[in-house]
Amino acid sequence: AQRVTQPEKLLSVFKGAPVELKCNYSYSGSPELFWYVQYSRQRLQLLLRHISRESIKGFTADLNKGETSFHLKKPFAQEEDSAMYYCALKGNTPLVFGKGTRLSVIA
Amino acid sequence: KAGVTQTPRYLIKTRGQQVTLSCSPISGHRSVSWYQQTPGQGLQFLFEYFSETQRNKGNFPGRFSGRQFSNSRSEMNVSTLELGDSALYLCASSLRAGASNEQFFGPGTRLTVL
Repeated sequence: AQRVTQPEKLLSVFKGAPVELKCNYSYSGSPELFWYVQYSRQRLQLLLRHISRESIKGFTADLNKGETSFHLKKPFAQEEDSAMYYCALKGNTPLVFGKGTRLSVIA
Repeated sequence: KAGVTQTPRYLIKTRGQQVTLSCSPISGHRSVSWYQQTPGQGLQFLFEYFSETQRNKGNFPGRFSGRQFSNSRSEMNVSTLELGDSALYLCASSLRAGASNEQFFGPGTRLTVL
């Protein structure tokens, strides 16, 4: 079975502090991992995917197959990063989403 | 380019009724996926359509059905509504089938079942 776990419902950090949003997955094959973000009053949108290996808005995420993790990181949080973040997995079925972590960046 | 549109945006129904939700994908996108979002279960996959064919179906009862038209517009139908069907229903479109392709989400239809 495919499963995505985001252990934190809410994460509060101060502006300028590092951010790490945790995502762990369960899948026996080679997964594709994604991070989606939903800003206040906006639509859910793709932030980044592991196959692109790129940095978007200062965020990066590395797939760690040994630890089955795909944590989202940013060295210096900005107020505009406050949003709901969802980790998603594509294995042999369509996207499976985690329940999301709300990031609150405090000025 | 216009984004994914969903109609209606809000809907109130009573138990036992049926409902039809509509989704218009981004122009040129041929794949449409539907998701149910609830506070308890989060985002759950309902179906995926590509070129009028259902490609994948999530673990939902047969009361949930969908279809896609030749212009790629999609509808989903829920019959014999239950209180637990109250949710935000999201539609997402992509150029091609498969979750590897970036999905563009609509604003959702908020369904309340009384």
